Amino acid sequence: EAGVAQSPRYKIIEKRQSVAFWCNPISGHATLYWYQQILGQGPKLLIQFQNNGVVDDSQLPKDRFSAERLKGVDSTLKIQPAKLEDSAVYLCASSLLGEQYFGPGTRLTVT
Amino acid sequence: QQQVKQSPQSLIVQKGGISIINCAYENTAFDYFPWYQQFPGKGPALLIAIRPDVSEKKEGRFTISFNKSAKQFSLHIMDSQPGDSATYFCAAGDDKIIFGKGTRLHILP
Repeated sequence: EAGVAQSPRYKIIEKRQSVAFWCNPISGHATLYWYQQILGQGPKLLIQFQNNGVVDDSQLPKDRFSAERLKGVDSTLKIQPAKLEDSAVYLCASSLLGEQYFGPGTRLTVT
Repeated sequence: QQQVKQSPQSLIVQKGGISIINCAYENTAFDYFPWYQQFPGKGPALLIAIRPDVSEKKEGRFTISFNKSAKQFSLHIMDSQPGDSATYFCAAGDDKIIFGKGTRLHILP
């Protein structure tokens, strides 16, 4: 079975620019998560979708971050404008029966 | 915010030895306790998980011990191998999980 796909794998932008990340979950997985993983720390949940509805976005900095999951499958996470502290790996995960499976992540560097 | 405290931050073990990583949680409503393994440049991979109705779960060389009254759980890696060298994260929650800060494990050949 194919895993969670993410693109791009790496992105370097300047502060105040915008960036978007894409995630394709495992087929049939209704729940999708976006995490931020800062170097040396554990992943931190940004947003959780159930099908195409938001379950929890309490830790998403909504003044600059947005996410959507059209048709309950693929998802995009956008940052606009980026700040230096947004430099991190952005991980997408999907689950069917509670077990979360992660993609390889997108490493974002903001200069 | 609910926390999951993980220790040690780093661990060095001889090949063939036992690696032990500990975690503590706060929220008694949590009912799912997974461990993830992460290699550099990769996403976390689910290693083993336990629910609070059992005190221990073993899968191959990996064992989770769970102490509900103490709100603690631990990962034991038996016969540790150099290929086990990675960062390990405990987590706790339900359909939403909170991760610990990770333990960098290095197995000496």
